[in-house]
Amino acid sequence: KNQVEQSPQSLIILEGKNCTLQCNYTVSPFSNLRWYKQDTGRGPVSLTIMTFSENTKSNGRYTATLDADTKQSSLHITASQLSDSASYICVVGYSSASKIIFGSGTRLSIRP
Amino acid sequence: SAVISQKPSRDICQRGTSLTIQCQVDSQVTMMFWYRQQPGQSLTLIATANQGSEATYESGFVIDKFPISRPNLTFSTLTVSNMSPEDSSIYLCSVPDRDTYEQYFGPGTRLTVT
Repeated sequence: KNQVEQSPQSLIILEGKNCTLQCNYTVSPFSNLRWYKQDTGRGPVSLTIMTFSENTKSNGRYTATLDADTKQSSLHITASQLSDSASYICVVGYSSASKIIFGSGTRLSIRP
Repeated sequence: SAVISQKPSRDICQRGTSLTIQCQVDSQVTMMFWYRQQPGQSLTLIATANQGSEATYESGFVIDKFPISRPNLTFSTLTVSNMSPEDSSIYLCSVPDRDTYEQYFGPGTRLTVT
């Protein structure tokens, strides 16, 4: 069964600290993996997209890694800011690539 | 990239009524997706709307409950019919990028059914 699991479900950290969010997937055939940020009351916004051949991609303070062998991805946030408070969703594309599965998300709260 | 707007941004509706949600894209796109996001949950695909053809619904979603129109390449509507409190969700439309795996989302419509 195609699945995308994220951990932790929620996370609270202090402003300025780093954190890492995890995504494990069992999807076949794999096409791509995306991380989205969703602010409360907004639609998701793409942070990174990686295909099978890419194992890391950065977008400012956000760095995503992909291990296609273990089917794991992580999103590392450096020097967190209050504006990083949001849900982070891992999305995996598979089959014809127009098919995607959403993880349940990690709700991140940054405290001053 | 694509800029997507949705109307209304939120609404409170009574049980048994229907609500039509509009989605406008600033560029022509072949495919448009409609998603539902229930409280505390991630997104679930309702249907894919292609211009000039019937929408394709995912398992668990039917046309009678969620009729979709796609009159042109920049616009679509989703109607939530005969609403019940279980329909209280955020409804989002989305379009894929033509050249990459990117997908753009509208701001969502927050629906509360009382």
